[in-house]
Amino acid sequence: QVQLVESGGGVVQPGGSLRLSCAASGFTFSDYGMHWVRQAPGKGLEWVAFIRYDGSNTYYADSVKGRFTISRDDSMNTLYLQMNSLRAEDTAVYYCEKDRGFFDSWGQGTLVTVSS
Amino acid sequence: EIVMTQSPATLSVSPGERVTLSCRASQSVSSNLAWYQQKPGQAPRLLIYGASTRVTGIPARFSGSGSGTEFTLTISSLQSEDFAVYYCQQYDNWPPWTFGQGTKVEIK
Repeated sequence: QVQLVESGGGVVQPGGSLRLSCAASGFTFSDYGMHWVRQAPGKGLEWVAFIRYDGSNTYYADSVKGRFTISRDDSMNTLYLQMNSLRAEDTAVYYCEKDRGFFDSWGQGTLVTVSS
Repeated sequence: EIVMTQSPATLSVSPGERVTLSCRASQSVSSNLAWYQQKPGQAPRLLIYGASTRVTGIPARFSGSGSGTEFTLTISSLQSEDFAVYYCQQYDNWPPWTFGQGTKVEIK
């Protein structure tokens, strides 16, 4: 079965950086595009970033464009999200997702808290 | 960007009642519409995709309908475990992939 395990979250000061990882198993990782989706405390769901199966294209929400970078290592079956210039409004649980258009493989997520 | 609008924001219902949740897209998304359920402290769970296809293992009391810009999630007889927040999401026109703001179904 599909398993996605996010890690790398923590507490970081405004302006700081963090790199999230997502270890994938149970499917052929290199065949799928991958997403990051986030949820701020008490708020709704927000799509963050997408990378195509072959890494040829990446897309970002306007709220993170220029600050976040999505990447993948197919040899490690791992997805990454490099987050720079973090702001308080980036505080959220971050989930990685396999692309089917919709999202059917929710892991436990990793909590990022941006606070001084 | 396609804006997804859900109504109502909160719905107070009694167990056993029939529940209808609405989701409207700012432009047509064909049938590329998914519904999710989220309980407190848990990750969301996919219920419906393709506007009306129920995920394996989801009880038959959940059904989805609609196409274009108007969609509905119906719970035929609300059970205690169904009290949660429900989100719709479009995947027709991207980026971005967009979610509705959610409808909270609470106990009356």
